[in-house]
Amino acid sequence: ETGVTQSPTHLIKTRGQQVTLRCSSQSGHNTVSWYQQALGQGPQFIFQYYREEENGRGNFPPRFSGLQFPNYSSELNVNALELDDSALYLCASSPGQGALDEQFFGPGTRLTVL
Amino acid sequence: DQQVKQNSPSLSVQEGRISILNCDYTNSMFDYFLWYKKYPAEGPTFLISISSIKDKNEDGRFTVFLNKSAKHLSLHIVPSQPGDSAVYFCAASDSGYALNFGKGTSLLVTP
Repeated sequence: ETGVTQSPTHLIKTRGQQVTLRCSSQSGHNTVSWYQQALGQGPQFIFQYYREEENGRGNFPPRFSGLQFPNYSSELNVNALELDDSALYLCASSPGQGALDEQFFGPGTRLTVL
Repeated sequence: DQQVKQNSPSLSVQEGRISILNCDYTNSMFDYFLWYKKYPAEGPTFLISISSIKDKNEDGRFTVFLNKSAKHLSLHIVPSQPGDSAVYFCAASDSGYALNFGKGTSLLVTP
């Protein structure tokens, strides 16, 4: 059974650019959540996708957007990058909606914005 | 606004002793609490959870205690092993979609 994978591992962008991060869910999981972990902080919830629909969103601006595909893989898109967007972005998949189902995290993508 | 707080950034414990990691929360709507463990270059992995209807949950060497009146929970690891060295995150949910994480406590278990 393949776990949650994320690509790329590391990424460097400049302010104002756009970035797309990718996540492959664990087999059999239909829900994906994205979290941002800034240096020295805990992960912060960005949004959750269930069967290709966004069904929950944290306190992040609209320039953070996402997609979930029919195979339940997912993308996180960030437009107009700011320096504060530098962080580790974690994807988590789970077999059901909500936070009560066990969430399985990928290793993350480290984004640096210069 | 940090709703889940882990006030000890780090903890060092000798192998075989008890490790106690603490967590406080401010949101009284939280009804489900979890601990995750994170090794470098890996994503967090689920360790143990507790529902607000319980005050204790045990899984092998790991026990989580919940004190709802104090809005406090703790994770006990007995006995501690060097392989337990990792960052431990406390998380809480109000049965919604999000997990609310603390900043983590880095545990070092020395031989």
